[in-house]
Amino acid sequence: QQQVKQSPQSLIVQKGGISIINCAYENTAFDYFPWYQQFPGKGPALLIAIRPDVSEKKEGRFTISFNKSAKQFSLHIMDSQPGDSATYFCAPPPRSNSGYALNFGKGTSLLVTP
Amino acid sequence: DTAVSQTPKYLVTQMGNDKSIKCEQNLGHDTMYWYKQDSKKFLKIMFSYNNKELIINETVPNRFSPKSPDKAHLNLHINSLELGDSAVYFCASSQGHTGTYEQYFGPGTRLTVT
Repeated sequence: QQQVKQSPQSLIVQKGGISIINCAYENTAFDYFPWYQQFPGKGPALLIAIRPDVSEKKEGRFTISFNKSAKQFSLHIMDSQPGDSATYFCAPPPRSNSGYALNFGKGTSLLVTP
Repeated sequence: DTAVSQTPKYLVTQMGNDKSIKCEQNLGHDTMYWYKQDSKKFLKIMFSYNNKELIINETVPNRFSPKSPDKAHLNLHINSLELGDSAVYFCASSQGHTGTYEQYFGPGTRLTVT
């Protein structure tokens, strides 16, 4: 599987602050860029996703920024809340002739302090 | 009305035993997956089935054998369990396997091999 590099590994943000998580990929065999959110003891769930024909997508407090030339996409969480404390994964599925399993980054553990 | 369900939620067993994990989805999806999450939370695809046909088979020991009796079910059988098999196993489903479809995850099965 092609690799994606996610950073930082962990992040502590105060309530009301901005959380930023980055994901870099090594080749162009991706055409869909999702972020998944996982709470302890639960399965991952899709948070927000972007296609490469747009540079930014916003859903509520969550924004994806996509930089095709730099091969990077970022998740911004505005006005971070304690309920956002979770592990976040970028997970672009590589194009292939068969199935498209999600290709997960190593995850970012976010803690939002009160 | 759980979308993707797995049984059991916890599985504790000894080395050398054979065990199965069952997965069912009631979303009407045509593609199902098995992912493994290790102790460092790294998620990796194991298998994917589309319309009961195996379409992704990552480098997984042949002690792991998936079986899809119908589109709504994907079971995972593991022979001769080893300590390194201890992990959380997630089942997921999606409508379509072309990568740009949201994947819905089950709650996971925590397997502990002693």
